[in-house]
Amino acid sequence: GEDVEQSLFLSVREGDSSVINCTYTDSSSTYLYWYKQEPGAGLQLLTYIFSNMDMKQDQRLTVLLNKKDKHLSLRIADTQTGDSAIYFCAESAWANSNSGYALNFGKGTSLLVTP
Amino acid sequence: GAGVSQTPSNKVTEKGKYVELRCDPISGHTALYWYRQSLGQGPEFLIYFQGTGAADDSGLPNDRFFAVRPEGSVSTLKIQRTERGDSAVYLCASSPLLAGDSYNEQFFGPGTRLTVL
Repeated sequence: GEDVEQSLFLSVREGDSSVINCTYTDSSSTYLYWYKQEPGAGLQLLTYIFSNMDMKQDQRLTVLLNKKDKHLSLRIADTQTGDSAIYFCAESAWANSNSGYALNFGKGTSLLVTP
Repeated sequence: GAGVSQTPSNKVTEKGKYVELRCDPISGHTALYWYRQSLGQGPEFLIYFQGTGAADDSGLPNDRFFAVRPEGSVSTLKIQRTERGDSAVYLCASSPLLAGDSYNEQFFGPGTRLTVL
C-alpha cells in the first residue's frame, strides 16, 4: 500500500504542547485518523479529519491537514503524563474501497511525557 | 455496551503447529477486519469481511493463513504450520461500515499476542 510516515519518538514536559507529525502519499485519501495505543490496550480512535478540511479541534486535540503537502499533524495541548502512549496516523482511501476502507497505518510515534 | 473481544490474549506455540485466533465483534457491526502488528510497526491489513464473506483477503501473507466468519459475527483466523516469523499481535476490528461509506470508524480489540517458538 501507500506509505504513511511518522517520526518515531517525541518527549515533552508535562503541561507543554505536543505536536506529532505524519505524511502520507495516497492522493485519494478520504479520511485521516489518529489512534492512541497504550500498553496492553487496544487501539483507541482519538480523532479524525475529512480530506476537504484544513483543521479540526476537539478539546485538547487539534488536527491540521495540509492536503497539498500530504501532511497531517496532531497537537495535544497541556500534555499530561497520562498522554504517554504510541500515536498512530492512519488513512483510508478510495483505493481501499474493495477492502472496506481498511486503514493504512504509520509505524507510530511514541510520546513520552515527563513530570 | 461490550467492545470487540479477542481470545486468547496470549498464545505460545511451537513451530509447525496450527493455531486459531478468535474475534467477537461488536454486535450489529457488519464489517470485520484482521490486522497484524509486528514489534515496532503499525498494524497491517490482512483480511476484510462484509457479513459472512471475505470481501478482500489480499493482505494475507500466504496460503497458510485463512479466516472465516460463518454466521457474520464471530471470526476465526487460522494459521497452519506456524513459523517464527508469524510471531506478532493479531488485531481484530469491527465497524458498522455500510457499502459506499468511506468514513470508517473501526473499533479494535485488545489483540492476541502470538509467539511461535
